[in-house]
Amino acid sequence: VMTQSPATLSVSPGERATLSCRASQSIHNYLAWYQQKPGQAPRLLIYDASTRATNIPDRFSGSGSGTEFTLTISSLQSGDLAVYYCQQYRDWPPYTFGQGTRLELK
Amino acid sequence: QLQLQESGPGLVKPSETLSLTCTVSGGPITTGTYYWGWIRQPPGKGLEYIGTIYYGGTTYYTPSLKSRVTISVDASSNQFSLKMTSVNAADTAVYYCARQGNPYDDYPAFDSWGHGILVTVSS
Repeated sequence: VMTQSPATLSVSPGERATLSCRASQSIHNYLAWYQQKPGQAPRLLIYDASTRATNIPDRFSGSGSGTEFTLTISSLQSGDLAVYYCQQYRDWPPYTFGQGTRLELK
Repeated sequence: QLQLQESGPGLVKPSETLSLTCTVSGGPITTGTYYWGWIRQPPGKGLEYIGTIYYGGTTYYTPSLKSRVTISVDASSNQFSLKMTSVNAADTAVYYCARQGNPYDDYPAFDSWGHGILVTVSS
């Protein structure tokens, strides 16, 4: 089970956003992060816990291993408003997603 | 540039079969580098993995849906398909097709997605 916190995060423009994802058992670094803007399909941001996907700006960074993971967005922009999901691929099927964190502007 | 496009009916009656097709353009579905998957999202809720297929026919399904779901591939048309039997209102969702890294060679994240198609189950 993947548990994300908080459910909603309010951050001021230009500030840092820190999103958490916890696995119920160790998944090593087999974790991805996705961004889903309203009305759009998810977009892969990070894989293997800390590797940015193609064309993802370096404002997005991932860290963690085992059961605790973090997605950090430095210097938040209005275009970053979205729901962010983590997904494990250590034990599959199924490839389980977290329930999401909604990022809002303060 | 790779593109995926879902197609199929937007309305399905309860107890009937949901059938969707994903057309892949910009690259062959027969590449060994990738698998091809389906994910769904009920209105206002999170993402749920449905299943994955390799072009050779190997399939993986989420256990909770395995008895009702079949994913198949048509390499000649560069398409893969989803069939879900005995649908009910809880199957109402946006259904996405996506490309997935080969879990035996690379990271099996979903790196390219279709726009999604809303399927409503209602009489």
